[in-house]
Amino acid sequence: GAGVSQTPSNKVTEKGKYVELRCDPISGHTALYWYRQSLGQGPEFLIYFQGTGAADDSGLPNDRFFAVRPEGSVSTLKIQRTERGDSAVYLCASSLIGGATDTQYFGPGTRLTVL
Amino acid sequence: GQQLNQSPQSMFIQEGEDVSMNCTSSSIFNTWLWYKQDPGEGPVLLIALYKAGELTSNGRLTAQFGITRKDSFLNISASIPSDVGIYFCAGQRDNAGNMLTFGGGTRLMVKP
Repeated sequence: GAGVSQTPSNKVTEKGKYVELRCDPISGHTALYWYRQSLGQGPEFLIYFQGTGAADDSGLPNDRFFAVRPEGSVSTLKIQRTERGDSAVYLCASSLIGGATDTQYFGPGTRLTVL
Repeated sequence: GQQLNQSPQSMFIQEGEDVSMNCTSSSIFNTWLWYKQDPGEGPVLLIALYKAGELTSNGRLTAQFGITRKDSFLNISASIPSDVGIYFCAGQRDNAGNMLTFGGGTRLMVKP
């Protein structure tokens, strides 16, 4: 069956621009997560959605980062006034119900490069 | 920043060798997970550990949840070329929602 998909796979933008990254979770999964992976490091948590609401946004680095999931399925991560330090791979994951023993399935990521 | 210390950072393997890597933390986690990431892909779950002291196998992979709940190790027996990749440990706390905290990764490469 279809896994988690993310678009675009690569995004190159200029410093100061606005970008949107999209995540399509596995059908029927109520929990959705965004992580950021810098080069040579492990993923770092950004935000977790349960349905349409952000249950935990403690990992968002500052107010330039925002994410939505208006219908409880597709999610969009939005970054305003991008900075070179935002360059990273942005990973999305989904899980069935968001429980502690739920497996998080990851998408392939969007590689963001800010010039 | 990363709260889990993973070692070694990288290692070379020869086909047929056994491989061992570990992960330590200064604080307790209630669940330990091991993921593998191939280039251009997201991490894929290999093994999940839910109880302190638990030893779990998945084919040639064996992982243990440390008794103090502050460490875990992963062993790969009789390595094969497709074992090459980056292995990440991840921890999860009951009082921290469902976020995963990842280690810095162990990169497995093939000896030339």
